[in-house]
Amino acid sequence: EIVMTQSPLSLPVTPGEPASISCRSSQSLLYSNGYNYLNWYLQRPGQPPQLLIFLGSRRASGVADRLSASESATDFTLRISRVEAEDVGVYYCMQALQPPYTFGQGTKLELK
Amino acid sequence: QVQLVESGGGVVQPGGSLRLSCAVSGFSVSYFGMHWVRQAPGKGLEWVAVMWDENGQKIFYGDSVKGRFTISRDNSKNTLFLQMDSLRAEDTGVYYCARRANHAPDKWGQGTLVTVSS
Repeated sequence: EIVMTQSPLSLPVTPGEPASISCRSSQSLLYSNGYNYLNWYLQRPGQPPQLLIFLGSRRASGVADRLSASESATDFTLRISRVEAEDVGVYYCMQALQPPYTFGQGTKLELK
Repeated sequence: QVQLVESGGGVVQPGGSLRLSCAVSGFSVSYFGMHWVRQAPGKGLEWVAVMWDENGQKIFYGDSVKGRFTISRDNSKNTLFLQMDSLRAEDTGVYYCARRANHAPDKWGQGTLVTVSS
């Protein structure tokens, strides 16, 4: 089983400031097609998860361009250039390379 | 418009069974893979199961549910199912169905709550 490790687990951010969340996988998520099978989600309070990023760094439809992602085979980072109130919630990374698919522990972003 | 609506949750005793449904509109379950993901109260996300080819032959389960849960679908009703047997207290949580696209669960339902308690 591939283990996903996120940091930090708690992230207080001042509105308008940048934020970044790290996710590390216990083995490479790079598939033979050149894509990393790594997804990012935001779960707002009381809501189901929303897909933000798929295949390592591709923004999902409707996702603000304030969000971006960088990737290597085992190290992944989600960045928010300027945090807004709508960014509050828990962020999860998920590997989709091989079953059982696994999520990181989650990073709770809150406003200062 | 893509929509996924889960149902079938409720309270069940340990050792009991429950069948969850996920009614889909806006796309066909026969053309997309489908996932089940769950979330225990106050905890993170846990992947449960996936069915991901047009013949329904590619099926995988999480280690904690293997041998107890069965994923299936009815193409004529455009509905995904999760049969849950030998339920345990640790199976308690909200169960989400999600569509698989670009190797990601991309569209999610609102979830249905399963409580396993005596």
